[in-house]
Amino acid sequence: RKEVEQDPGPFNVPEGATVAFNCTYSNSASQSFFWYRQDCRKEPKLLMSVYSSGNEDGRFTAQLNRASQYISLLIRDSKLSDSATYLCVGVTTSGTYKYIFGTGTRLKVLA
Amino acid sequence: DVKVTQSSRYLVKRTGEKVFLECVQDMDHENMFWYRQDPGLGLRLIYFSYDVKMKEKGDIPEGYSVSREKKERFSLILESASTNQTSMYLCASSPYRDRGSMGYTGELFFGEGSRLTVL
Repeated sequence: RKEVEQDPGPFNVPEGATVAFNCTYSNSASQSFFWYRQDCRKEPKLLMSVYSSGNEDGRFTAQLNRASQYISLLIRDSKLSDSATYLCVGVTTSGTYKYIFGTGTRLKVLA
Repeated sequence: DVKVTQSSRYLVKRTGEKVFLECVQDMDHENMFWYRQDPGLGLRLIYFSYDVKMKEKGDIPEGYSVSREKKERFSLILESASTNQTSMYLCASSPYRDRGSMGYTGELFFGEGSRLTVL
């Protein structure tokens, strides 16, 4: 089983829709979590950190559920420019720090 | 803004050649990483470093070596390139942020990537 798992998609949604991605992790030693966005043939860029209390940044909301070992990303009022691959990342601190990436969820927002 | 700069965006090399990929960051970050990214496999960690002259193997170190002689620079070396090393190589850095008794490492900042083709 992969340490961080994501549904690869693609998720095809119309403009203005609300879409949610989940990501599960298997290592309970994971301490920090992030969502990254990656455009085609570009490097990943930080979208947002994920906090236990949940956090919101404009149209984006991230949640962490430690009991069930999953994190989520909610995008409201989808824009064409949201089309990208969204990567879930967990950081484990057992011994040394290690960033574990999911393989990404592809989102296509359609006009 | 943090800047992570990779020396080459696109390289084409022949099997058996020695390949150097350079990465420089300008934010005094302690941690530096080399990943490769392949379709369907996601990002896989090759090597990382938490300090000058220090290196640790990631998940797929075979066929690669690294060098960190200065804090800002982390080099990836392919001693004898092979076709299965054709990939996108991504360098990243992150700061170490101390949070009381439990330090943690901050978010990763990536370079633009180096797309290597080995013929």
